[in-house]
Amino acid sequence: DQQVKQNSPSLSVQEGRISILNCDYTNSMFDYFLWYKKYPAEGPTFLISISSIKDKNEDGRFTVFLNKSAKHLSLHIVPSQPGDSAVYFCAASDSGGGADGLTFGKGTHLIIQP
Amino acid sequence: GAVVSQHPSWVICKSGTSVKIECRSLDFQATTMFWYRQFPKQSLMLMATSNEGSKATYEQGVEKDKFLINHASLTLSTLTVTSAHPEDSSFYICSARPQLDSEAFFGQGTRLTVV
Repeated sequence: DQQVKQNSPSLSVQEGRISILNCDYTNSMFDYFLWYKKYPAEGPTFLISISSIKDKNEDGRFTVFLNKSAKHLSLHIVPSQPGDSAVYFCAASDSGGGADGLTFGKGTHLIIQP
Repeated sequence: GAVVSQHPSWVICKSGTSVKIECRSLDFQATTMFWYRQFPKQSLMLMATSNEGSKATYEQGVEKDKFLINHASLTLSTLTVTSAHPEDSSFYICSARPQLDSEAFFGQGTRLTVV
């Protein structure tokens, strides 16, 4: 049973527009969420995170929104740039981002078109 | 940010042999490191939690006798795939946290191909 779901395997967005990547989770014990960016044959790179006590966290072009009642989070990238093309993974933790490993979604391949 | 280095980045080995993958935290100490595995177009799956000075904690379904983990120091964890088979071919990634409440930093990953 997949506890973290990214239902869009791919997403194509025009350069300069907003990219919205979605993530749903089923485990109500998750209290810390992260987004990672990954290029082929490389390890994931941390982008942004959010604790369950917040509903929004912003860092430059990246904003993560958390809707706990819907068990849904989204990553907004604005404006989208060609270098943003990569696979984005949503990850969750039930230990406040602490000592336990992360549960990942399957990823969404974001393609930024010029 | 903190740097986690993984070596080798890719390796090809024959069936039945063993392969060791190293994961080092270069600028911080990590009492806990994590090993993940990713199949093509799939999610990263947590295999085990590596604890310095003690036995690793394996996720359900992961064979601890096949995937040997040694966390010998606060900056080094190793994963040894023993008696490798073609189905062990995958992308293996390690991660570590400088502090319990910080984000996890990942190594570059190791592409293992068993022929």
